[in-house]
Amino acid sequence: AQSVSQHNHHVILSEAASLELGCNYSYGGTVNLFWYVQYPGQHLQLLLKYFSGDPLVKGIKGFEAEFIKSKFSFNLRKPSVQWSDTAEYFCAVRDTDKLIFGTGTRLQVFP
Amino acid sequence: DAGITQSPRHKVTETGTPVTLRCHQTENHRYMYWYRQDPGHGLRLIHYSYGVKDTDKGEVSDGYSVSRSKTEDFLLTLESATSSQTSVYFCAIDGQGGQYFGPGTRLTVT
Repeated sequence: AQSVSQHNHHVILSEAASLELGCNYSYGGTVNLFWYVQYPGQHLQLLLKYFSGDPLVKGIKGFEAEFIKSKFSFNLRKPSVQWSDTAEYFCAVRDTDKLIFGTGTRLQVFP
Repeated sequence: DAGITQSPRHKVTETGTPVTLRCHQTENHRYMYWYRQDPGHGLRLIHYSYGVKDTDKGEVSDGYSVSRSKTEDFLLTLESATSSQTSVYFCAIDGQGGQYFGPGTRLTVT
Protein backbone atom coordinates (compact mmCIF):
# COMPACT_ATOMS: atom_id res chain seq x y z
CA ALA A 1 0.00 0.00 0.00
CA GLN A 2 1.02 3.58 -0.53
CA SER A 3 2.43 5.71 2.23
CA VAL A 4 3.28 9.40 2.47
CA SER A 5 6.07 11.12 4.36
CA GLN A 6 6.16 14.77 5.28
CA HIS A 7 9.56 15.48 6.73
CA ASN A 8 8.94 18.97 8.06
CA HIS A 9 6.66 18.80 11.07
CA HIS A 10 6.81 22.46 12.06
CA VAL A 11 8.07 25.34 9.95
CA ILE A 12 8.41 28.92 11.15
CA LEU A 13 8.90 31.73 8.64
CA SER A 14 8.73 35.47 8.45
CA GLU A 15 6.41 37.15 5.98
CA ALA A 16 7.83 37.37 2.44
CA ALA A 17 10.10 34.35 2.98
CA SER A 18 9.95 31.52 0.47
CA LEU A 19 8.36 28.23 1.41
CA GLU A 20 9.04 24.66 0.42
CA LEU A 21 7.37 21.73 2.17
CA GLY A 22 8.54 18.23 1.41
CA CYS A 23 6.33 15.29 0.49
CA ASN A 24 7.45 11.82 -0.57
CA TYR A 25 5.28 8.86 -1.46
CA SER A 26 6.29 5.23 -1.31
CA TYR A 27 6.01 3.74 -4.77
CA GLY A 28 5.62 4.71 -8.36
CA GLY A 29 3.51 3.97 -11.32
CA THR A 30 0.58 6.24 -12.04
CA VAL A 31 -0.09 8.44 -9.04
CA ASN A 32 -2.63 11.07 -8.12
CA LEU A 33 -1.17 13.55 -5.62
CA PHE A 34 -2.77 16.27 -3.54
CA TRP A 35 -1.96 19.08 -1.14
CA TYR A 36 -4.57 20.19 1.37
CA VAL A 37 -4.54 23.14 3.76
CA GLN A 38 -6.28 23.35 7.13
CA TYR A 39 -6.60 26.79 8.69
CA PRO A 40 -6.97 26.90 12.48
CA GLY A 41 -10.33 25.50 13.56
CA GLN A 42 -11.41 24.66 10.03
CA HIS A 43 -11.69 21.61 7.79
CA LEU A 44 -9.26 20.56 5.06
CA GLN A 45 -9.42 22.42 1.78
CA LEU A 46 -7.89 21.29 -1.49
CA LEU A 47 -4.93 23.47 -2.50
CA LEU A 48 -3.85 21.68 -5.65
CA LYS A 49 -3.69 18.29 -7.30
CA TYR A 50 -1.64 16.38 -9.83
CA PHE A 51 -3.07 13.66 -12.06
CA SER A 52 -0.91 13.75 -15.18
CA GLY A 53 0.75 16.12 -17.65
CA ASP A 54 2.79 19.15 -16.65
CA PRO A 55 4.66 18.19 -13.46
CA LEU A 56 4.51 21.78 -12.21
CA VAL A 57 1.05 22.30 -10.81
CA LYS A 58 -0.37 25.65 -9.80
CA GLY A 59 -3.01 25.89 -7.12
CA ILE A 60 -4.94 28.49 -5.24
CA LYS A 61 -3.49 31.35 -3.17
CA GLY A 62 -0.18 31.37 -5.12
CA PHE A 63 0.89 27.86 -4.18
CA GLU A 64 2.50 25.46 -6.60
CA ALA A 65 3.90 21.94 -6.40
CA GLU A 66 6.35 19.99 -8.51
CA PHE A 67 5.96 16.28 -9.21
CA ILE A 68 9.36 14.62 -9.59
CA LYS A 69 8.78 10.99 -10.50
CA SER A 70 12.39 9.90 -10.09
CA LYS A 71 12.41 11.18 -6.51
CA PHE A 72 8.87 10.07 -5.60
CA SER A 73 8.32 13.65 -4.47
CA PHE A 74 5.61 16.27 -4.66
CA ASN A 75 6.93 19.31 -2.82
CA LEU A 76 4.78 22.35 -2.15
CA ARG A 77 6.21 25.82 -2.79
CA LYS A 78 5.27 29.45 -2.45
CA PRO A 79 7.69 32.24 -3.34
CA SER A 80 6.51 34.70 -0.68
CA VAL A 81 4.40 33.65 2.29
CA GLN A 82 1.90 35.81 4.13
CA TRP A 83 0.74 35.79 7.73
CA SER A 84 -2.58 34.39 6.44
CA ASP A 85 -0.76 31.25 5.24
CA THR A 86 -0.41 30.12 8.85
CA ALA A 87 -2.05 26.70 8.77
CA GLU A 88 -1.39 22.99 8.65
CA TYR A 89 -0.56 21.45 5.29
CA PHE A 90 -1.21 17.85 4.33
CA CYS A 91 0.10 15.90 1.40
CA ALA A 92 -1.94 12.95 0.14
CA VAL A 93 -1.68 10.22 -2.47
CA ARG A 94 -4.50 8.19 -3.94
CA ASP A 95 -4.41 4.44 -3.30
CA THR A 96 -7.21 2.90 -5.40
CA ASP A 97 -10.39 4.39 -3.92
CA LYS A 98 -8.78 5.94 -0.83
CA LEU A 99 -6.47 8.83 -0.04
CA ILE A 100 -3.44 8.24 2.15
CA PHE A 101 -2.44 11.36 4.09
CA GLY A 102 0.87 12.44 5.53
CA THR A 103 1.02 13.52 9.15
CA GLY A 104 1.02 17.19 8.21
CA THR A 105 3.31 20.20 8.45
CA ARG A 106 2.41 23.07 10.71
CA LEU A 107 3.41 26.41 9.19
CA GLN A 108 3.64 29.53 11.30
CA VAL A 109 4.24 32.84 9.57
CA PHE A 110 5.22 35.84 11.64
CA PRO A 111 4.72 39.42 10.45
CA ASP B 1 -18.46 24.16 -0.47
CA ALA B 2 -19.15 20.54 -1.43
CA GLY B 3 -22.56 20.43 0.22
CA ILE B 4 -21.45 18.35 3.19
CA THR B 5 -22.83 18.80 6.67
CA GLN B 6 -21.98 16.95 9.85
CA SER B 7 -23.97 16.65 13.04
CA PRO B 8 -23.50 17.20 15.83
CA ARG B 9 -20.59 19.65 15.54
CA HIS B 10 -19.58 19.16 19.15
CA LYS B 11 -20.37 16.36 21.57
CA VAL B 12 -19.26 15.39 25.05
CA THR B 13 -20.14 11.89 26.15
CA GLU B 14 -19.21 9.43 28.86
CA THR B 15 -17.14 6.31 28.52
CA GLY B 16 -19.26 3.31 27.60
CA THR B 17 -22.11 5.19 25.95
CA PRO B 18 -23.01 4.72 22.28
CA VAL B 19 -22.51 7.68 19.95
CA THR B 20 -23.63 8.22 16.36
CA LEU B 21 -22.25 10.90 14.10
CA ARG B 22 -24.02 11.85 10.91
CA CYS B 23 -22.65 13.01 7.58
CA HIS B 24 -25.05 14.37 4.99
CA GLN B 25 -24.26 15.31 1.38
CA THR B 26 -26.47 16.99 -1.16
CA GLU B 27 -24.65 16.17 -4.41
CA ASN B 28 -25.24 12.44 -4.87
CA HIS B 29 -21.59 11.38 -4.61
CA ARG B 30 -21.01 7.66 -4.58
CA TYR B 31 -18.00 7.56 -2.26
CA MET B 32 -18.07 8.82 1.33
CA TYR B 33 -15.41 8.58 4.01
CA TRP B 34 -14.98 8.94 7.76
CA TYR B 35 -11.63 10.09 9.14
CA ARG B 36 -10.36 10.96 12.56
CA GLN B 37 -7.77 13.65 13.10
CA ASP B 38 -5.38 13.57 16.02
CA PRO B 39 -2.22 15.62 16.69
CA GLY B 40 0.83 13.93 15.22
CA HIS B 41 -1.21 11.43 13.23
CA GLY B 42 -2.73 13.52 10.48
CA LEU B 43 -5.94 12.08 9.09
CA ARG B 44 -6.62 8.39 9.48
CA LEU B 45 -9.34 6.57 7.60
CA ILE B 46 -11.91 4.80 9.77
CA HIS B 47 -14.41 3.46 7.24
CA TYR B 48 -15.61 4.35 3.80
CA SER B 49 -18.57 3.63 1.57
CA TYR B 50 -18.74 3.10 -2.16
CA GLY B 51 -22.52 2.97 -2.40
CA VAL B 52 -25.71 2.30 -0.48
CA LYS B 53 -25.08 -0.59 1.89
CA ASP B 54 -21.50 -0.97 0.54
CA THR B 55 -18.83 -0.17 3.10
CA ASP B 56 -15.28 -1.14 3.87
CA LYS B 57 -12.79 -0.73 6.69
CA GLY B 58 -9.98 1.77 6.89
CA GLU B 59 -6.81 1.64 8.92
CA VAL B 60 -8.39 2.47 12.32
CA SER B 61 -11.79 0.75 12.17
CA ASP B 62 -11.72 -1.07 15.54
CA GLY B 63 -14.46 0.21 17.82
CA TYR B 64 -16.38 1.88 14.99
CA SER B 65 -19.19 0.79 12.70
CA VAL B 66 -20.88 2.56 9.81
CA SER B 67 -24.09 2.43 7.87
CA ARG B 68 -25.30 3.90 4.62
CA SER B 69 -28.95 3.27 3.92
CA LYS B 70 -29.31 6.29 1.61
CA THR B 71 -26.86 7.86 -0.82
CA GLU B 72 -26.89 11.15 1.05
CA ASP B 73 -26.27 9.89 4.60
CA PHE B 74 -23.27 8.10 6.08
CA LEU B 75 -23.43 7.33 9.79
CA LEU B 76 -20.50 6.56 12.07
CA THR B 77 -21.29 4.74 15.33
CA LEU B 78 -19.11 4.24 18.35
CA GLU B 79 -20.81 1.29 20.01
CA SER B 80 -19.22 1.94 23.41
CA ALA B 81 -17.17 5.10 23.47
CA THR B 82 -13.71 5.08 25.03
CA SER B 83 -11.40 7.96 25.95
CA SER B 84 -9.08 6.97 23.09
CA GLN B 85 -11.87 7.91 20.70
CA THR B 86 -11.71 11.56 21.75
CA SER B 87 -10.88 13.21 18.46
CA VAL B 88 -12.09 15.39 15.64
CA TYR B 89 -14.05 13.42 13.08
CA PHE B 90 -14.27 14.51 9.45
CA CYS B 91 -16.52 13.20 6.76
CA ALA B 92 -15.49 13.52 3.12
CA ILE B 93 -16.85 12.82 -0.33
CA ASP B 94 -14.92 11.87 -3.43
CA GLY B 95 -15.73 14.49 -5.98
CA GLN B 96 -14.19 15.59 -9.21
CA GLY B 97 -10.50 16.15 -8.67
CA GLY B 98 -10.22 15.03 -5.08
CA GLN B 99 -11.86 14.58 -1.73
CA TYR B 100 -13.88 17.35 -0.14
CA PHE B 101 -14.43 17.57 3.57
CA GLY B 102 -17.23 18.45 5.93
CA PRO B 103 -16.79 20.89 8.82
CA GLY B 104 -15.94 18.20 11.39
CA THR B 105 -17.32 16.94 14.69
CA ARG B 106 -15.33 17.44 17.88
CA LEU B 107 -16.03 14.48 20.16
CA THR B 108 -14.86 14.33 23.76
CA VAL B 109 -15.23 11.10 25.72
CA THR B 110 -14.89 11.63 29.46
